[in-house]
Amino acid sequence: AQKVTQAQTEISVVEKEDVTLDCVYETRDTTYYLFWYKQPPSGELVFLIRRNSFDEQNEISGRYSWNFQKSTSSFNFTITASQVVDSAVYFCALSENNQGGKLIFGQGTELSVKP
Amino acid sequence: NAGVTQTPKFQVLKTGQSMTLQCAQDMNHEYMSWYRQDPGMGLRLIHYSVGAGITDQGEVPNGYNVSRSTTEDFPLRLLSAAPSQTSVYFCASRTPRGTEAFFGQGTRLTVV
Repeated sequence: AQKVTQAQTEISVVEKEDVTLDCVYETRDTTYYLFWYKQPPSGELVFLIRRNSFDEQNEISGRYSWNFQKSTSSFNFTITASQVVDSAVYFCALSENNQGGKLIFGQGTELSVKP
Repeated sequence: NAGVTQTPKFQVLKTGQSMTLQCAQDMNHEYMSWYRQDPGMGLRLIHYSVGAGITDQGEVPNGYNVSRSTTEDFPLRLLSAAPSQTSVYFCASRTPRGTEAFFGQGTRLTVV
C-alpha cells in the first residue's frame, strides 16, 4: 500500500538557519511521482516540485533543494538561509502511475521561521 | 486564466442540511479529485474522477457524493451534514501524465 510519512510535525528555526524537512514514502509501484507543496497561512496550496521515480537527480531552485533517494525511499526538502516568509505548512505527496491522479499526502510539517 | 475555481469559500451548515461544493477547471484536465484537510492529518482523498462519467471513491468517501457530467465540473455533495464533516475542502485537477495537481482556493466548512 502507498503511504507518505512526514515525521516532523513542527519545526521552529531562527531566520538564516538551514532547515531540512523529511519525507519517507512507501509504494510497490516502479513508476511514481513525488511532490512538495507549500501551504502558507493564507491557506492555498502552492506547488514546489515534482520528481518522477526514474530521475534521482537532486534539484536546486534558489534557496530550495531536494534530495531524492530511492534506496531509502526518501524525498527530503532543504531550505537554505531560511526567511520569515518560508513559514508555512509543507506537504510531501506521492502519486502512483495509472491511479487516476490520486495524491497520497503526508501529515505535513509546520515550519516556523522566527526573526 | 482561472485554473481551478471552488465555491463557496466559506460555509456554515446545520447538522442534517445538505449542500453542494462547486468545483470547475478550465484547463481541460481529465483527472479531478476532492480532498479534505483536517489538523494533523494532511489531505485525504474523498472522491476522484478520471474523466466525464467516471468517478470512484477515495479514502474517506462516506457522507459525500460526486458526479462528473462534464470535463470542467466536479461538484461534491454533502447529503446530510454532520459535525465530523467540519473541515477545509480542496478540489484539484491534473493531467494523466504525472504533472502537478492544481488546487482550488479551498472551502472552509463548519457544521454546527
